[in-house]
Amino acid sequence: AQSVAQPEDQVNVAEGNPLTVKCTYSVSGNPYLFWYVQYPNRGLQFLLKYITGDNLVKGSYGFEAEFNKSQTSFHLKKPSALVSDSALYFCAVINWDSNYQLIWGAGTKLIIKP
Amino acid sequence: EPEVTQTPSHQVTQMGQEVILRCVPISNHLYFYWYRQILGQKVEFLVSFYNNEISEKSEIFDDQFSVERPDGSNFTLKIRSTKLEDSAMYFCATTRTGGTSGETQYFGPGTRLLVL
Repeated sequence: AQSVAQPEDQVNVAEGNPLTVKCTYSVSGNPYLFWYVQYPNRGLQFLLKYITGDNLVKGSYGFEAEFNKSQTSFHLKKPSALVSDSALYFCAVINWDSNYQLIWGAGTKLIIKP
Repeated sequence: EPEVTQTPSHQVTQMGQEVILRCVPISNHLYFYWYRQILGQKVEFLVSFYNNEISEKSEIFDDQFSVERPDGSNFTLKIRSTKLEDSAMYFCATTRTGGTSGETQYFGPGTRLLVL
């Protein structure tokens, strides 16, 4: 079965420090991977995706993610966290067995402290 | 930048009542999806829709749910007889060409449904 795991419910980082939000996946086909962010009482905003090519993907708001095939991971990173980055982050993967809908991780709450 | 819009933003209804959630996709998008997120839980796929037909539906999408694109613009999700457990945030998402090329699904802001 295809799945996405976000092993941390919450990540706390001091402002200005680097941040990492972890994601691992299990898929039957090519791993098309996505990160979305959800601010309080808002919808899901697309951050970045990996389809093919360079393993380091750059996205919105200074975020990047590194695709690691051997570790089946797609961790989200940012070199210097901002308080405004505090939000809920979701990793998702295309479901090749079911008409390409997205399979979602449980989400990780990122808290950036001043 | 084009956006997916959803109305209403919030809806409170009594158990057993019918609700219709509306989505206006990005104009040249052809594939439409509904997802839901129960408070504190994962986002879950409900249904995908293309060419005026359901392409795929999850086990959540039972007979009380239906979708349609009545006027070529709006994409609606109807829940015929709401239950308490239908309380959730409902998200509409759209893509231009579907997921085969890894195209991004763009999400609306969601409708928060509360069933009392």
